[in-house]
Amino acid sequence: SYVLTQPPSVSVAPGQTARITCGGNSIGSKNVHWYQQKPGQAPVLVVYDNSDRPSGIPERFSGSNSGNTATLTINRVEAGDEADYYCQVWDSSINHWVFGGGTKLTVL
Amino acid sequence: EVQLLESGGTLVQPGGSLRLSCAASGFTFRSYAMSWVRQAPGKGLEWVSTIARGDRTYYADSVRGRFTISRDNSETTLYLQMNSLRADDTAVYYCARDIKVNCAGDCPPDYWGQGTLVTISS
Repeated sequence: SYVLTQPPSVSVAPGQTARITCGGNSIGSKNVHWYQQKPGQAPVLVVYDNSDRPSGIPERFSGSNSGNTATLTINRVEAGDEADYYCQVWDSSINHWVFGGGTKLTVL
Repeated sequence: EVQLLESGGTLVQPGGSLRLSCAASGFTFRSYAMSWVRQAPGKGLEWVSTIARGDRTYYADSVRGRFTISRDNSETTLYLQMNSLRADDTAVYYCARDIKVNCAGDCPPDYWGQGTLVTISS
């Protein structure tokens, strides 16, 4: 089955740029989606189809996808961005959703 | 306003059964694929099942043959029938709605409920 690999943790100072990666075999050929989840809350979709943002998501959140790596970029990081972030793809070969293991973003 | 409200989570013994419900409102329920996603305590997100366009259903390998997803469009409610429950089914179960109408199962969910806790223990 398709595997998505995320770093367990990323740390960044306020105002800096955070980059969270999601690795997968030829992931550039798939649509990647990203979710933010804060403790005790449901996930929130922050980027879909590699680089689109749902309404209400700040422009500070952006995504890219090429080759074997997709990246969620958060510009001008704020304390409120501290959360777990998950990437997701649809594995069309077996009609399954696949989530990455999640990355804990810490704002120093 | 889109709302998804899960219910039915409780403590169940191993081998038991449980049915979760997700009451939907604020959108044309029948036009959207719906999914269940779970999260074990302290763990990441795990996709469970999706009911898509034409009522096609998809299941994670870990639940296929034990869980059944269904929907009642007249009641705007999504269900998850869970049988032969195991300790590793313990999790918060979220229902979620696709971001676009009439998806074939491959559209990401953009609205999520707050979840219902299922605990499997003797």
